Amino acid sequence: DQQVKQNSPSLSVQEGRISILNCDYTNSMFDYFLWYKKYPAEGPTFLISISSIKDKNEDGRFTVFLNKSAKHLSLHIVPSQPGDSAVYFCAANSGGSNYKLTFGKGTLLTVNP
Amino acid sequence: GAGVSQTPSNKVTEKGKYVELRCDPISGHTALYWYRQSLGQGPEFLIYFQGTGAADDSGLPNDRFFAVRPEGSVSTLKIQRTERGDSAVYLCASSLMGGGRVDTQYFGPGTRLTVL
Repeated sequence: DQQVKQNSPSLSVQEGRISILNCDYTNSMFDYFLWYKKYPAEGPTFLISISSIKDKNEDGRFTVFLNKSAKHLSLHIVPSQPGDSAVYFCAANSGGSNYKLTFGKGTLLTVNP
Repeated sequence: GAGVSQTPSNKVTEKGKYVELRCDPISGHTALYWYRQSLGQGPEFLIYFQGTGAADDSGLPNDRFFAVRPEGSVSTLKIQRTERGDSAVYLCASSLMGGGRVDTQYFGPGTRLTVL
C-alpha cells in the first residue's frame, strides 16, 4: 500500500517554463515532507522540505506547496533549466519515527533546451 | 568533504550465496540508514543506526538480512541465502544526529545487487 504517491511517472517541459511535480499521501500521521532529486548512478540529494504547520516554503527557484486538507503537495521549479532533468522523489515522515522516510515512486523530469 | 561512499558499486551473485555491502558514512555523522530501491519504486527503509546500535530494524524484510555498525562508523549490510527478489539498489544514508526534523539524510550512490 503506497502511502506516498507520485502518479506521474514522467514530465517534460521546455527550458524557462514552470515545472510542477505533484505528490499525494494517505497517512494522516505524516507531518513533514521532503523532495529529493536523483541523477543516474547517484544517490538522492535533498532539495527542499516543508513542515505541516506551513503551506509554502521557497528556496530560490524551488517552491513546495502543501495542502493538508487534500493531503497533497507540489514542487514548483521556475524557471526550469536543463540541469534540473532528474528523477524527483517526494518523501514524508511523522513525529513518532521522524528518521524513517517514506518515499514515492518518483517522477522523471526532462527539461528540453 | 567526502560524502557517503558505498562499496561495491555493483555486485552480481548467484541465488543462495551470501553477500556483504559496505557503507562509509560522512565523518562525524552518528546516524546511519539503509534503504532498498527496487526497480520502478522509491527507496524503502530497512534499518536505522544511532551510534553502534540498531535503533529501528523494522524494515528488514526477513531474518536473512542483518546489518552491523560495530564502531559507530562503517556499516555492513549482510544478506544470507540470496534470492532473485533481493535484486535492487541498496542505498545508505547518514545524518549528523538522527531523529530530528532538520537532520538531513545524505545518501550514497548505492550498491546495485543482482541475484542470478
